[in-house]
Amino acid sequence: DADVTQTPRNRITKTGKRIMLECSQTKGHDRMYWYRQDPGLGLRLIYYSFDVKDINKGEISDGYSVSRQAQAKFSLSLESAIPNQTALYFCATSGLRGDSNQPQHFGDGTRLSIL
Amino acid sequence: GQSLEQPSEVTAVEGAIVQINCTYQTSGFYGLSWYQQHDGGAPTFLSYNALDGLEETGRFSSFLSRSDSYGYLLLQELQMKDSASYFCAVREPTGRRALTFGSGTRLQVQP
Repeated sequence: DADVTQTPRNRITKTGKRIMLECSQTKGHDRMYWYRQDPGLGLRLIYYSFDVKDINKGEISDGYSVSRQAQAKFSLSLESAIPNQTALYFCATSGLRGDSNQPQHFGDGTRLSIL
Repeated sequence: GQSLEQPSEVTAVEGAIVQINCTYQTSGFYGLSWYQQHDGGAPTFLSYNALDGLEETGRFSSFLSRSDSYGYLLLQELQMKDSASYFCAVREPTGRRALTFGSGTRLQVQP
C-alpha cells in the first residue's frame, strides 16, 4: 500500500462546483502539504499543516481551503471551481526532527480538470 | 520572497555525465534539495545540501556553494531511466520551513 494516498486520482468537473481532494498517510508524519503543478511552473505550495491544529497559507492559497481532520488526513477544497484551477495536485508529508532535513514524500497526484 | 532558476531542458546521451544548475535568491537559507519526477509520476527526494561541498549518492551527486547562491545536481553514467524532470528546492527562512521549488529541468537521455 502507498504511504501517501490521494483520492480521487482523476476528476473532471464543471465551473462553480465544490470539490474536495483527500490525502491520507501511513507514515506517521506530522507535516502535510498541498501543492499544485502546472506545466513549466513547477510545484507551488497551496497550504501546509504542521499538526492537527496548525494551518498555514502557502504561495497560492486564494480560492482554496484545507482541513486537517487528523494527523493522517489533510483535505483540500475548491469552494467554487474555476477553469484556471485545472492542474495536477500533489499532497506531501514530512517528518519532524529538529532542524535537520526531512525529505518530503509525495502522493501520486490528482489530475483535476475544470470545464 | 524566494526565487530559484534552473535551465528548462537538458539533453545528453546514455553513459555521459550531465550537470543541472540551480541558482537561488532567498532572504535566508536552510539548505538546497533535489527531487526527481518522471512523467506522470510523483516527485521523489534525491539529495540535500546544507553546507558547502559535494554530497554523493551512487551515480548522483549534489553540490552547494552558499557564497555564490548556487548548486548543481550531477548525474553520471546516464541511463535511459534518468529521463525525467529535476527540481531544486530551498527551505523557507521562517520557522515554518516549507519548501519553495524551482520550475524544473527536463532531462532527456538519448541512446
